Order: sequence, then structure tokens, then C-alpha cells
Amino acid sequence: AQTVTQSQPEMSVQEAETVTLSCTYDTSESDYYLFWYKQPPSRQMILVIRQEAYKQQNATENRFSVNFQKAAKSFSLKISDSQLGDAAMYFCAYRSSVLQGAQKLVFGQGTRLTINP
Amino acid sequence: DGGITQSPKYLFRKEGQNVTLSCEQNLNHDAMYWYRQDPGQGLRLIYYSQIVNDFQKGDIAEGYSVSREKKESFPLTVTSAQKNPTAFYLCASSIPNLGLAANNEQFFGPGTRLTVL
Repeated sequence: AQTVTQSQPEMSVQEAETVTLSCTYDTSESDYYLFWYKQPPSRQMILVIRQEAYKQQNATENRFSVNFQKAAKSFSLKISDSQLGDAAMYFCAYRSSVLQGAQKLVFGQGTRLTINP
Repeated sequence: DGGITQSPKYLFRKEGQNVTLSCEQNLNHDAMYWYRQDPGQGLRLIYYSQIVNDFQKGDIAEGYSVSREKKESFPLTVTSAQKNPTAFYLCASSIPNLGLAANNEQFFGPGTRLTVL
């Protein structure tokens, strides 16, 4: 079974600075997807960024980018120019690419990010 | 607007009672999921359904039951057999897995907070 580990329960950063959240995972599969989800105080889960394992290029979405190291099974999230609205719980998640109807997500424990003004 | 609705937002249950959490989606998604969120543990999969009249157990199905009589609806019943039901429950949906290139993101509802009195 796949597992996802986020070793940083809490992180904080000054507004406008850059922060990196860590995530490692364990799998025997070669093809899969990795995700970062954001959960603000409203508790609504929001997809931040997605990475396909077969793509070597790291995904980017505006101020959010990932560092995907397939051999090391590492998938970190970098947030540049941090804003107060980035304060939230961040979850790393894994999904197999095995062809089937539903796609189960395996989540890490989460990292609570605080932005200091 | 398309989306996922969950009701109620807050639910209180006495010990020994069964309660049902509602999840409805108008995204025309075939697949639906129920997750449980506890502090420090991320999200864990309870049940999922790939299509109407079909569902499978997730990682923590004991003490829960589901039905999928309609494409739009996937209610979750928390039975008296669930020993520690106090948690935040999230419903999600997605289109079926259509291959590596498909955009089959999971969309989440706003959640239900269940408290056992």
C-alpha cells in the first residue's frame, strides 16, 4: 500500500517571502499522480497543483511550484511571495494511475502554514 | 453553479444512534468518495463508488455504510458500531479515470462536522 508522509506539522513564513513544504511518499508503482491540496479555515479542500509522475518537468501554477524527485520519492511545494491568504493546512496526496473507475487519494498528515505580516 | 453540497454542516449524535450525512453533486460525475478527517491524521478514505449501484470499502469502512441509488447522491450512514465517530467528514466526486492524460481531479464538498454527545 502507498503511504504519504509530511514531516512538518507546522511552518511559518514572513509575508512576501518563500516557503517550502516537504512531502515524501512510498510506492512500488512507476506511474502515478501527486497533488497538493490547500484547506483554509473554511475547511474547503482546494487543489493547488498536480504532478504526473511520467513528466520530468516540475509543475508550476503562478506562485506555486513543486520539486519532484522521482528517484527519491520526494514532492515538495514551494510558495513564492507568500500572501496572507496562503495561510492554511496543506496536504500532499498520492493517486495511482492504474486504470479503474475511481481514483483513491492517499493523503499525508498535513502541514499548517502560518503567514506572519 | 456546479458543485458538491453536504448537509448538515454540523451534526450532533447521541451514543447508540445512527445518523446519515448527505452528499449531492450536480457535476455529472460518476465516481464519489467519503473521507474522514481527524486532527493530525489527514484524510482517510471510508467508502467510494465508481458508478450507480456499486460501491467499495476504503481503508476505514468499519461502522459506516453507504448507498448509491442515484448518480447525484452518495449518503453516508454512521452507525452505532462506529466507536469514535466524532470527526469532520468530506465528500468528493470525480469523473472516471480515463488514462494518464485525463483531467480527473477530485472535487470536494464543504464538509460535515459530526459530534457525539
